[in-house]
Amino acid sequence: DTGVSQNPRHKITKRGQNVTFRCDPISEHNRLYWYRQTLGQGPEFLTYFQNEAQLEKSRLLSDRFSAERPKGSFSTLEIQRTEQGDSAMYLCASSPPWRDRVTYEQYFGPGTRLTVT
Amino acid sequence: QKEVEQNSGPLSVPEGAIASLNCTYSDRVSQSFFWYRQYSGKSPELIMSIYSNGDKEDGRFTAQLNKASQYVSLLIRDSQPSDSATYLCAVNSGSARQLTFGSGTQLTVLP
Repeated sequence: DTGVSQNPRHKITKRGQNVTFRCDPISEHNRLYWYRQTLGQGPEFLTYFQNEAQLEKSRLLSDRFSAERPKGSFSTLEIQRTEQGDSAMYLCASSPPWRDRVTYEQYFGPGTRLTVT
Repeated sequence: QKEVEQNSGPLSVPEGAIASLNCTYSDRVSQSFFWYRQYSGKSPELIMSIYSNGDKEDGRFTAQLNKASQYVSLLIRDSQPSDSATYLCAVNSGSARQLTFGSGTQLTVLP
C-alpha cells in the first residue's frame, strides 16, 4: 500500500495526558498537512510542512500542540495536557512538489481518532 | 461568514437519478477546487479536482466551476447506493495552499 498511513488509528486518553500521532506520507511527497475534523464539520487546517520545514500554523494550533517532520519524511503531532475539546479525528494529507496545478491535490491518510475522557 | 458553504442536506435521490451538490466560496483569488467523498467513520477521498471555468467529467462525475459566481458543483449521474456518503467541497487558500472545506452534504441514494 503506497498511500498515506497514520498511527495509531484510535487513541483513548485521559484528560491531562500527552499523546503523539504519526503520519507517513506518500513516498516522494514533500508537502505534508495536518487537519482536525469534528463530527458534522469539514476538516480544519492545523499546520503545513514543506520537506522538514514547518511553514504554516493555524490559529487553531494552540501552544499545547507541536508538530515535527524530521528529515522531511514522517511527521508527528503531539498534544500535551489533553482536554476534552481535543477529541476529534486528526488527519494527515500529503501532496507532491508544486509544478503545476495538479500538484495542489492532497491525499488523506485514514486518520487517528482521539477520544479524551 | 464561513469561507466555503455547502447545503448541509441531507439529500436523498433514488437509484439511477442524478445527484446535484453545490458549493460557494468567498475567496476570489482561489484557483483550485476539489470534491472529496467521505464515508462514515472514514477519511476524505479525493474524487474530482477542477481549476478552470466550465465542466470536467470523470466517469459518472461532472464538476462544474463558475469563478465569476464563485460557485462549484458536482453532478453524480446514475447514482448508486454505494455513492451514499458525505461530499466535501474544498478550496485551496493561503500561502501553504491548505484546503478550506465546507461542512459537507450528506447524500443518500435509495435502492
